[in-house]
Amino acid sequence: DTEVTQTPKHLVMGMTNKKSLKCEQHMGHRAMYWYKQKAKKPPELMFVYSYEKLSINESVPSRFSPECPNSSLLNLHLHALQPEDSALYLCASSQASLMRNYGYTFGSGTRLTVV
Amino acid sequence: AQSVTQLGSHVSVSEGALVLLRCNYSSSVPPYLFWYVQYPNQGLQLLLKYTTGATLVKGINGFEAEFKKSETSFHLTKPSAHMSDAAEYFCAVLMDSSYKLLFGSGTRLLVRP
Repeated sequence: DTEVTQTPKHLVMGMTNKKSLKCEQHMGHRAMYWYKQKAKKPPELMFVYSYEKLSINESVPSRFSPECPNSSLLNLHLHALQPEDSALYLCASSQASLMRNYGYTFGSGTRLTVV
Repeated sequence: AQSVTQLGSHVSVSEGALVLLRCNYSSSVPPYLFWYVQYPNQGLQLLLKYTTGATLVKGINGFEAEFKKSETSFHLTKPSAHMSDAAEYFCAVLMDSSYKLLFGSGTRLLVRP
């Protein structure tokens, strides 16, 4: 299995809703990432987990809450989002120790629309 | 501080023509460089990477890139464009001593019949 699987592919939520994005990989990667991508822009890093511990938070607002319950799963919990949070949310994974040699593997993303 | 600059937000070529997408980087240490492709409404797919060793790197779908330290460049090329190559291409550099991948602004490749 050489894929990163993200669910759902599309999500529409109201500003008072609570929802979660899910990401799963079975490549034995011990580093996992959340990126946010606005239309016609490059991806921007949000969070990095290394060995199931949060290692980087790029000053992301608290309405985004990441969780890494085990080495294969990464969640992004969403609460009280704003319309400007509408974007493509990308999950990625990599070998924690060999990331420099192999780069990331990305999922296909969740297209989030906040109404 | 490291940075990545992609020259040209849009590049248009005819089918069968040479593809050249430009990427320049700034890094105080030997860089780790990557090219990713993104098709509409999809995630990013790794095309190729430069870490150490050979400066001419071959990737998937007939793409290759050459690391030129003297020019701080890592341009992406393909000898003959196919319609299926139409996509957004991102150059990226791995930030010093971290897991952070810094992307350039992207270049949209258009392929004319």
